[in-house]
Amino acid sequence: NAGVTQTPKFQVLKTGQSMTLQCAQDMNHEYMSWYRQDPGMGLRLIHYSVGAGITDQGEVPNGYNVSRSTTEDFPLRLLSAAPSQTSVYFCASSPTSLGRAEDGYTFGSGTRLTVV
Amino acid sequence: KNQVEQSPQSLIILEGKNCTLQCNYTVSPFSNLRWYKQDTGRGPVSLTIMTFSENTKSNGRYTATLDADTKQSSLHITASQLSDSASYICVVIQTYNAGNMLTFGGGTRLMVKP
Repeated sequence: NAGVTQTPKFQVLKTGQSMTLQCAQDMNHEYMSWYRQDPGMGLRLIHYSVGAGITDQGEVPNGYNVSRSTTEDFPLRLLSAAPSQTSVYFCASSPTSLGRAEDGYTFGSGTRLTVV
Repeated sequence: KNQVEQSPQSLIILEGKNCTLQCNYTVSPFSNLRWYKQDTGRGPVSLTIMTFSENTKSNGRYTATLDADTKQSSLHITASQLSDSASYICVVIQTYNAGNMLTFGGGTRLMVKP
C-alpha cells in the first residue's frame, strides 16, 4: 500500500545509546519531516527535508540528526538517547514543501520510543 | 509566538449524539487550516482542509467552519459513531516562498460510548 512506513513501532533504549528511526515513502514526495508528539502538546517539528540532499532544522532539533540520500528515505538518528527524548515520533511527507491546500500531508503510524 | 489552542481537552458523548470541537489560533497570516483525526497508535489522517477564504467544509458527518475574523475554527461531528473515538487535531499552515510552517494544536480526545 502506498504511504509512509515507519520502523520500528516500539523501541526501548538505555540512556546514552544511539539508534536510527526509519521512514520511507513510495509516493515520490518532495517534502519529508519528522515530528515528536508529547502528551497534551501539539506535534513539534524536529527536522525536515525539501528534497534529496537537502535537510534543515525544525523547532526541536537538538539531539537528533537526519539525512536524505534518496527521495524515498528520511532516517532520524538519536545520537545519545536521553530520557527527555521519550516520545512518539511521526514521519510525514507531502508532494511539495509549499504547504498549499492541495498538498496533503501523509503521516506514518509512529514510533513509540522509551528511554530509561 | 504562534499558537493553536483546542478545547475541550477531552470529551465523552453517547453514540448518536452530535458534538463540536473548538480551535482558536493566533497564527497570522495563514494559508490553510486543517483538521486531522488520530486514532490511538496511529498517525493523523486528514479530515478537512480550508483556505483562509473558506467558511465551511464538509466530509461526510464531519463539518469544519472557519471564522478568520475571530481566528476560530470548529469541527462538528453529527450522529457520532463508536469509530469516531479518537483525538482530533487542528493544524494551521503558513506558506512562504519555498517552505511552510505547521502549527499544531494539542488535540481534543473524544470518546463515544454506546
